[in-house]
Amino acid sequence: ETGVTQTPRHLVMGMTNKKSLKCEQHLGHNAMYWYKQSAKKPLELMFVYNFKEQTENNSVPSRFSPECPNSSHLFLHLHTLQPEDSALYLCASSQDWDDTGWPQHFGDGTRLSIL
Amino acid sequence: SQQGEEDPQALSIQEGENATMNCSYKTSINNLQWYRQNSGRGLVHLILIRSNEREKHSGRLRVTLDTSKKSSSLLITASRAADTASYFCATDVPFSIKAAGNKLTFGGGTRVLVKP
Repeated sequence: ETGVTQTPRHLVMGMTNKKSLKCEQHLGHNAMYWYKQSAKKPLELMFVYNFKEQTENNSVPSRFSPECPNSSHLFLHLHTLQPEDSALYLCASSQDWDDTGWPQHFGDGTRLSIL
Repeated sequence: SQQGEEDPQALSIQEGENATMNCSYKTSINNLQWYRQNSGRGLVHLILIRSNEREKHSGRLRVTLDTSKKSSSLLITASRAADTASYFCATDVPFSIKAAGNKLTFGGGTRVLVKP
């Protein structure tokens, strides 16, 4: 148990569907992250939120829309996705984000398949 | 662009042997972290080494850092079948759109198979 819970664990959707991924952390951390992990590619950072404020958007297409209503919850809203968006989407949290160095705690991810 | 790259990409060893993997990075860092990922699971933090440290130990793990060569190594001693996983190094780089704070960039990982 990492303290970071992601739901659903698996999601299959058509290209015209709208769905949301949910992440919740029970660690009292201030920063939350969305990553995309595709086969044979390095982990890609998508979004970072610090104290509910978006700090980073790594040139992610607008069909991915993040939402952070409070420091414990993070959502990723999906609409009109493409087949190349099929991947494992990982959520993580860390105590802080400065250059001190903070370990990130990951959920087990949502395996997304686009038909 | 990718900051860290692991070498080798894959490693197969017998239980009880040591496993060594390396990470090279391009720009200066404040710290470097190693993570493990079991199949179908999220990443688990293993160890963090700061730029002013040269070596760090945690149980059967030993991490070294050579900032002059921009490289790090992870050694797993007396490996077990449960050590079978992918191992990633991650380095900190500044955020792109705001000045305060750093984010992690990950390498492509080393897949380690420990055979019983």
